[in-house]
Amino acid sequence: EPEVTQTPSHQVTQMGQEVILRCVPISNHLYFYWYRQILGQKVEFLVSFYNNEISEKSEIFDDQFSVERPDGSNFTLKIRSTKLEDSAMYFCASSEGGDADTQYFGPGTRLTVL
Amino acid sequence: LAKTTQPISMDSYEGQEVNITCSHNNIATNDYITWYQQFPSQGPRFIIQGYKTKVTNEVASLFIPADRKSSTLSLPRVSLSDTAVYYCLVGEESGGYQKVTFGTGTKLQVIP
Repeated sequence: EPEVTQTPSHQVTQMGQEVILRCVPISNHLYFYWYRQILGQKVEFLVSFYNNEISEKSEIFDDQFSVERPDGSNFTLKIRSTKLEDSAMYFCASSEGGDADTQYFGPGTRLTVL
Repeated sequence: LAKTTQPISMDSYEGQEVNITCSHNNIATNDYITWYQQFPSQGPRFIIQGYKTKVTNEVASLFIPADRKSSTLSLPRVSLSDTAVYYCLVGEESGGYQKVTFGTGTKLQVIP
């Protein structure tokens, strides 16, 4: 069964550093998403991406965040200058289409900002 | 955006049927109801989705009454490996895709 993959599984960085989290969505999917989950809290929507542009973003997704689909397979989330409060699990998801199509989540990247 | 309300936690013995009910009083006409399962340190995993009446797959059943203001996820004969957080989501169709918002979920603890 095809699945969403994410790398790295765990990223440790110093405050102020840039990080890039990588995702490979399911190959025939057209919609891509990033979510985050701070330890012990609920999953929060960050951004959705379709046709090489952001469809929607939450208030969490400020100027420090950016997303990119640099090639036909990868989907990345960049945090320009990490803050302590960026420490969380970051989940990538993809869906085949829009409407009610199911979003399939990756295993997540645990980001730890020191 | 339809908000969902579900119990914070539930306990069940192995082998029992578990029913988790979710309220979504202001669900919109175009909204679908989706349930996800999440194990610690893993991404949410799709379980089942429905619009109305009853949906069944190899994992669970989803019961949705005619007014669609609530839904019940039914897990038959749970095992210890079903211990997880279960999220009820009501997806709002937005810009051609379903924007989903996770609530706090129901933490199911299966007891031997």
